[in-house]
Amino acid sequence: GAVVSQHPSRVICKSGTSVKIECRSLDFQATTMFWYRQFPKQSLMLMATSNEGSKATYEQGVEKDKFLINHASLTLSTLTVTSAHPEDSSFYICSASDAREDEQFFGPGTRLTVL
Amino acid sequence: GESVGLHLPTLSVQEGDNSIINCAYSNSASDYFIWYKQESGKGPQFIIDIRSNMDKRQGQRVTVLLNKTVKHLSLQIAATQPGDSAVYFCAEILGSGNQFYFGTGTSLTVIP
Repeated sequence: GAVVSQHPSRVICKSGTSVKIECRSLDFQATTMFWYRQFPKQSLMLMATSNEGSKATYEQGVEKDKFLINHASLTLSTLTVTSAHPEDSSFYICSASDAREDEQFFGPGTRLTVL
Repeated sequence: GESVGLHLPTLSVQEGDNSIINCAYSNSASDYFIWYKQESGKGPQFIIDIRSNMDKRQGQRVTVLLNKTVKHLSLQIAATQPGDSAVYFCAEILGSGNQFYFGTGTSLTVIP
């Protein structure tokens, strides 16, 4: 149980386009979802926390207009990287926790490359 | 893209040896801790957890030790195998659980 999926697993896009990444909890209701960014050989950097039906809480330094997060249901959150630029190239990982909130279940990650 | 933040410390061990990965946490009120393993190009995977009312917990080939006095957590891997090569993160969880703080991580390389 507690499986989280991400789609797509890998995306390459041109500079200036917008990219949407989906995060789904497959077998549980995710009351909270988290979005992380990870550069090569570095730790996870929390971007934002989202609760179903409410606005996401962004970490300091993360542009909310750049990284749009929607958590429309208890099983789906989306991260849209708007007007992507090469510096947005990174590994984006989502995680989800259920009502117990004592563990985060991670998705497999999405590799974004912006040309 | 531009990189920010700290680069991961590395640890190399011979296959069959024991590995010890350390993590310092910051908040004495943290009451739950998790170790995650992240293989290259994949998301983190849960390995083992420990509550603050314990100082040791054992799993299959892994042991987590918690020293609340010095706010230190360690992960011991017995008889390390090539498949253990990965990045290992500790996480401290505060209160309701929505406050997750990840350690820097350690990159473990197992030499056959």
